[in-house]
Amino acid sequence: GAVVSQHPSRVICKSGTSVKIECRSLDFQATTMFWYRQFPKQSLMLMATSNEGSKATYEQGVEKDKFLINHASLTLSTLTVTSAHPEDSSFYICSARERGSSIQYFGAGTRLSVL
Amino acid sequence: EDQVTQSPEALRLQEGESSSLNCSYTVSGLRGLFWYRQDPGKGPEFLFTLYSAGEEKEKERLKATLTKKESFLHITAPKPEDSATYLCAVVLSTGGFKTIFGAGTRLFVKA
Repeated sequence: GAVVSQHPSRVICKSGTSVKIECRSLDFQATTMFWYRQFPKQSLMLMATSNEGSKATYEQGVEKDKFLINHASLTLSTLTVTSAHPEDSSFYICSARERGSSIQYFGAGTRLSVL
Repeated sequence: EDQVTQSPEALRLQEGESSSLNCSYTVSGLRGLFWYRQDPGKGPEFLFTLYSAGEEKEKERLKATLTKKESFLHITAPKPEDSATYLCAVVLSTGGFKTIFGAGTRLFVKA
């Protein structure tokens, strides 16, 4: 149980294009989903928290117009990196948490490379 | 300020050489402490949850313990496949289950 699927696992795109990453909870209802960014050999940096049906809460320093988050259902959240630039290249990881639980279950991550 | 510190940053062991990883925390209120394992290029994999001082959890060669100030992840007779980064995370009892992650300990086990 508690499987979180993240797709795609790897994406390469040209500068200026937008990229969408999907995060799905497969066997539970994720009332809260999180999006993280991870730099090489560093820990997770929380970008935003989203609750189903409401706007995401972004961490300080994260541009909400750059990183669009949609949590339209209890099993799906998406992160769209708009007008991506090389500095957006990174490893993005989502996690999901069930109502009443404090455990986050993570997706496998998405490696984004912007040329 | 709420803080989670993991030590050491990196640990190199020989196969079979038992050791411990430390996670010390200073938080306003603890709801739970979590251990995760992360392999390179993958998302973290949930290992354990500990909720109160004195609690212990075990899984194969891993054993997690909790006190009021820190948690230890004991690795008994490690194997090369235990090589990974181990992350500690603390969930606060206030502020909507806010989670603070430590920087991780990178474990290398040599055959």
